[in-house]
Amino acid sequence: GDSVTQMEGPVTLSEEAFLTINCTYTATGYPSLFWYVQYPGEGLQLLLKATKADDKGSNKGFEATYRKETTSFHLEKGSVQVSDSAVYFCALSRGNEKLTFGTGTRLTIIP
Amino acid sequence: GAVVSQHPSRVICKSGTSVKIECRSLDFQATTMFWYRQFPKQSLMLMATSNEGSKATYEQGVEKDKFLINHASLTLSTLTVTSAHPEDSSFYICSASTGGNTIYFGEGSWLTVV
Repeated sequence: GDSVTQMEGPVTLSEEAFLTINCTYTATGYPSLFWYVQYPGEGLQLLLKATKADDKGSNKGFEATYRKETTSFHLEKGSVQVSDSAVYFCALSRGNEKLTFGTGTRLTIIP
Repeated sequence: GAVVSQHPSRVICKSGTSVKIECRSLDFQATTMFWYRQFPKQSLMLMATSNEGSKATYEQGVEKDKFLINHASLTLSTLTVTSAHPEDSSFYICSASTGGNTIYFGEGSWLTVV
């Protein structure tokens, strides 16, 4: 079946550091790929998505590129801020609104 | 924007009792809601799909008699954990669909069974 593997946390970085959170998936065909973010006390929010190979999703300075050849969808940001502290979830979907999630990665940014 | 509210955010209950978690779509009608749970160091796993006015569809391995789902209106779905045991302690989160392929998540509920 489908599965998503993402980098174990927690991850702690200094403000303005470069961020990468790795995500790889196992699935047949061409699923859609997502990154969700959960800020403290809030629900999961869609951060970005990509629906086909080589698509790049981007939002709030975050980017992720759908790499079919490496079955990856790594999340990157060039300069993180304290406000980026949250839990990040990588997920895939086959378009039926059901999501298969990774374990989540807790990110803490220190000033 | 659309908001999904989940209540309670944290609950502690005694072993053998039942606990109900509510998921409400506050400003849209949700024909479909989804319930997920996450055990420590594991992924969020889909438990069931809840459709308004019909029986929920449970994922393999999820006991439908233990996790009762009621989606009685277009804005409310409830998950009742019956005869809860410590192994049911987990993070439960719902999501609601607008039907336009857009999904919104609740804040999640931490259940601790003692």
